[in-house]
Amino acid sequence: QSALTQPASVSGSPGQSITISCTGSSRDVGNYNLVSWYQQHPGKAPQLIIYEVTKRPSGVSNRFSGSKSGNTASLTISGLQPEDDADYYCCSYVGRTTSSVLFGGGTKLTVL
Amino acid sequence: EVQLVESGGTLVQPGGSLRVSCAASGFIFSNWEMNWVRQAPGKGLEWLSYISTAGTTIYYAESVEGRFTISRDNARNSLYLQMNSLRAEDTAVYYCVRDWTFDYWGQGTVVTVSS
Repeated sequence: QSALTQPASVSGSPGQSITISCTGSSRDVGNYNLVSWYQQHPGKAPQLIIYEVTKRPSGVSNRFSGSKSGNTASLTISGLQPEDDADYYCCSYVGRTTSSVLFGGGTKLTVL
Repeated sequence: EVQLVESGGTLVQPGGSLRVSCAASGFIFSNWEMNWVRQAPGKGLEWLSYISTAGTTIYYAESVEGRFTISRDNARNSLYLQMNSLRAEDTAVYYCVRDWTFDYWGQGTVVTVSS
């Protein structure tokens, strides 16, 4: 199965809002409300920021929000801050079978 | 505090084998499903394998099925990944990750496959 499709890069200025899309298919993103998002800073392990499309783990800023429409999920970051400069990955559950999970290719967010 | 600490990564020749381990602490390991995820240099994340709490249900990515074997020892709070027939394209940082939500990640262990 192919990876989920994300834009390679997005950018925004401090205080602005940006949205990162994650496009899959009716077999993955469109079929399960099990999309998650991860933030990764250089040289660090990824960190969960959104799970089950819209839920935020404890301790994650409410500036991060998730949504889904059809086969496309989205991550919105409002009030951009310099520390948001990082790579972001989406992920979708595909089913309890071979290749059960798909990641997106990742999006580099640059805070200008 | 949840901690996942991977170990065992090293340089290995193509065709060789290696076992990486993950020591878990700060939570009841036997109650949680676990996964392995890897990241090749400069590339994105790739899910590799899942194991259920008792180790009775296992899934693999197509890219490693038949070559890699996931296992766990709940008495030792440890997760393992046995990797055989290693290829250059298996060079990556290997992460131990908790649950289907991937809520906690280890710091990773580096596996380099090269002659």
